[in-house]
Amino acid sequence: EAGVAQSPRYKIIEKRQSVAFWCNPISGHATLYWYQQILGQGPKLLIQFQNNGVVDDSQLPKDRFSAERLKGVDSTLKIQPAKLEDSAVYLCASSLVGRSEKLFFGSGTQLSVL
Amino acid sequence: GNSVTQMEGPVTLSEEAFLTINCTYTATGYPSLFWYVQYPGEGLQLLLKATKADDKGSNKGFEATYRKETTSFHLEKGSVQVSDSAVYFCALSDRHNDMRFGAGTRLTVKP
Repeated sequence: EAGVAQSPRYKIIEKRQSVAFWCNPISGHATLYWYQQILGQGPKLLIQFQNNGVVDDSQLPKDRFSAERLKGVDSTLKIQPAKLEDSAVYLCASSLVGRSEKLFFGSGTQLSVL
Repeated sequence: GNSVTQMEGPVTLSEEAFLTINCTYTATGYPSLFWYVQYPGEGLQLLLKATKADDKGSNKGFEATYRKETTSFHLEKGSVQVSDSAVYFCALSDRHNDMRFGAGTRLTVKP
């Protein structure tokens, strides 16, 4: 079974530039998550989708971050414009629908903002 | 809102030592509780979970018991191995399965 796919694996940009990350979840997983993991910290939930609807985006900095999940499958997370403090690993995860379903994580995209 | 607090690391133990990593939570309602592990160079993966009070999750010799009265979910292992060296994350989710993670505890086991 294929896992959660993310790209790119690494990205280096200058502050004020824009960047986009792509995620393809495990087939059949209706729930998709984007997390931000700053070095030395735990993953912080940015946004959770169920199919193509948003379940929770309370911690998404909406002035600069946006995410979409068209057709309830792939998802894109965008940052525009990027700030130095956005340097982090961006993790995508997916799960089946349910109260206590485990999350399957991708390898992440490591973003460095210079 | 829901949150998890876990003991700060790093934790360094000798092989065969007893391990405890403390985790407490704040939540409205009745969350499910999880421990995830991140081995060096790998992604996060589920270690164990418990979905209601007094449940015990277990896997690979690790155990954790859901204690509602103390809002805790401490991770334990009786005899750690070098291969257990990793970062351990406590997490909780509510009915929408919006998983919230603690800061992580780095464990290093020395031979």
